[in-house]
Formats: sequence, C-alpha cells, structure tokens
Amino acid sequence: QVQVVESGGGVVQPGRSLRLSCAGSGFTFHSYAMHWVRQAPGKGLEWVAVVSSDAANKYYADSVKGRFSISRDNSKNTLYLQMNSLRPEDTAVYYCARAEYARSCYYMDVWGKGTTVTVSS
Amino acid sequence: DIQMTQSPSSLSASVGDRVTITCRASQSITSYLNWYQQRPGKAPNLLIYAASNLQSGVPSRFSGSGSGTDFTLTISSLQPEDSATYYCQQSLSSPWTFGQGTKVEVK
Repeated sequence: QVQVVESGGGVVQPGRSLRLSCAGSGFTFHSYAMHWVRQAPGKGLEWVAVVSSDAANKYYADSVKGRFSISRDNSKNTLYLQMNSLRPEDTAVYYCARAEYARSCYYMDVWGKGTTVTVSS
Repeated sequence: DIQMTQSPSSLSASVGDRVTITCRASQSITSYLNWYQQRPGKAPNLLIYAASNLQSGVPSRFSGSGSGTDFTLTISSLQPEDSATYYCQQSLSSPWTFGQGTKVEVK
C-alpha cells in the first residue's frame, strides 16, 4: 500500500545536529514533491520544507531557513531533513507528506506517523 | 506570507448536528485551500482539496466551499468519530501555511 515512514528522531542537545529520513513505498517516489511538517507539543501544524520531485527546487519556512536542509535520494525512495544548530523550539513531531496535484492545486495526501525530535540539555 | 485564520478555535456539538468551521486567508488564494483532520495522537488526514473536492475514502458528510479569502468546512451530521482537530492550509505559495486549528468535541 501507499505509505511513508519516518525515522531518525531522538533526544539531542541544543546546537547539535540530527538527520531525519522518510522512506516511501507503494508509489512512484520520484514523481512526487515531498514535504516536512512539524507539530510542537500541544500546538498546531507548522509547514517546514518542500522539495520538488527532481530535487531542483527547495523551499523552507523562515523559522528553519539556514539551519535545516531538505534533500532526497530517488534511487532509494527516501526523503531527508538535515537539522543543524537545533534549538529547544525545534522540539516537535516531524511528519513527512507526499504532495499530490489535482484541480490545479497541491495538497498533502499521504502522511507518515511521524518521528519525535526533542531538543534539550 | 499568507496568514490563515480559523474560527472558532473550538466547539462542542451533539451527534447529528451540522457543524461549520470557517477559514479566512489574509489575501486571495483562489481555490488553493485544503482541509485536514487530526485525531488525538494521530497523523493528519486529508479531507478536502482545492476548496471543495472530497478526498477518496472520506465520508460524504464532509464538504468544503469557498473561494478567494473565505472558506468553510461543513460536517452535515456529526458522528462520534469526528472528534478531532481540523486544519485548513493554503497551497498558493510558499510558505504553505496552516490555520491554527479548530478542535471539535462530540458531546
């Protein structure tokens, strides 16, 4: 079945780095743009970053620009989020989501269960 | 950046009630508006895309309408399993912003 599965979360000290992964299966991974979305404890959804299907285009939220880097390896059907200079406010569940396109509109139609990142000393 | 504002922030309704959630964009987003449901402890789930298109597998009691800056999500007959937080999201331009969420409690 169509699914995405995140991994790589954990507890990390402020200022350190972490890399998240998201493995896609059941669909033609290289045909879809992919997003990262996060949710801090008790808070709403915050979009983080998106990468186009061919990795040529990448966009970031201002809150992570310059610290986080989104990438993908289409040969491995895997999406990544490299997170550097982590801050306590980056503590969240991180979801990856597939970007579908229909009716001239992009939307996130397949979501993973999320991986938890805790930034704490 | 385009700001998305939902109202109300929370509501409580009975089984069978008609429920409406509003989402307002800070500028026109034509029909680039999506709705998601998130049950407690779960990942978000797509309900409606492009303002009014029901995602496959989503019950027909959910519907969306609107264009420009004002949008609504309607649940025609509230069910116990609809207890969740609902988010709107614009996809006109980066950053792809979400509303703050509307928590729906089923009495």
